[in-house]
Amino acid sequence: QLVLTQSPSASASLGASVKLTCTLSSGHSSYAIAWHQQQPEKGPRYLMKLNSDGSHSKGDGIPDRFSGSSSGAERYLTISSLQSEDEADYYCQTWGTGIHVFGTGTKVTVL
Amino acid sequence: QVQLQESGPGLVKPSETLSLTCTVSGGSISSYYWSWIRQPPGKGLEWIGYIYYSGSTNYNPSLKSRVTISVDTSKNQFSLKLSSVTAADTAVYYCATPTRWGQGTLVTVSS
Repeated sequence: QLVLTQSPSASASLGASVKLTCTLSSGHSSYAIAWHQQQPEKGPRYLMKLNSDGSHSKGDGIPDRFSGSSSGAERYLTISSLQSEDEADYYCQTWGTGIHVFGTGTKVTVL
Repeated sequence: QVQLQESGPGLVKPSETLSLTCTVSGGSISSYYWSWIRQPPGKGLEWIGYIYYSGSTNYNPSLKSRVTISVDTSKNQFSLKLSSVTAADTAVYYCATPTRWGQGTLVTVSS
């Protein structure tokens, strides 16, 4: 079964970095994912598509301080130089044959 | 740039059918695939299903018996129908491409 696992929360200080993890279920470690950001009271925004080899393609206007990387079944989103507007929920998404799945989201708090 | 806009009733009675339309502007619907995703208040994202411009569809197995997604290429629109709704179907409904989201529309199921 295709499942994505995310930690419920993460926090870091203004100007610091935070690394979020999205873990693919067993047998799906080669899958690509997408990262989406949802700021409070707003709709989601596509950040990037992240492949198993760590290559990624970002959406229009996504700042360079957002980057992605991969290791095995884990997919990472690193936000550098944290800003107040980065406080948001971050969801990973993947897709298989005829099905899409979202992770449960990680709430990022900027201290 | 492609933009998406959801439209439809904000209030639906229990047991009735929820109907929403997504209008695509700034690009042709004859590309990509087109998704519906929902988010109950205070909860995470749930994929409902998607449709290709050719009309082929895939649905979330948990909703499959109640969902129909269709496309009207002449109007650059695609639509969602969800039958036999209950209060559990109350959510913000989003239409989306792989890299772009609509702003979402809140649908409340209540008598």
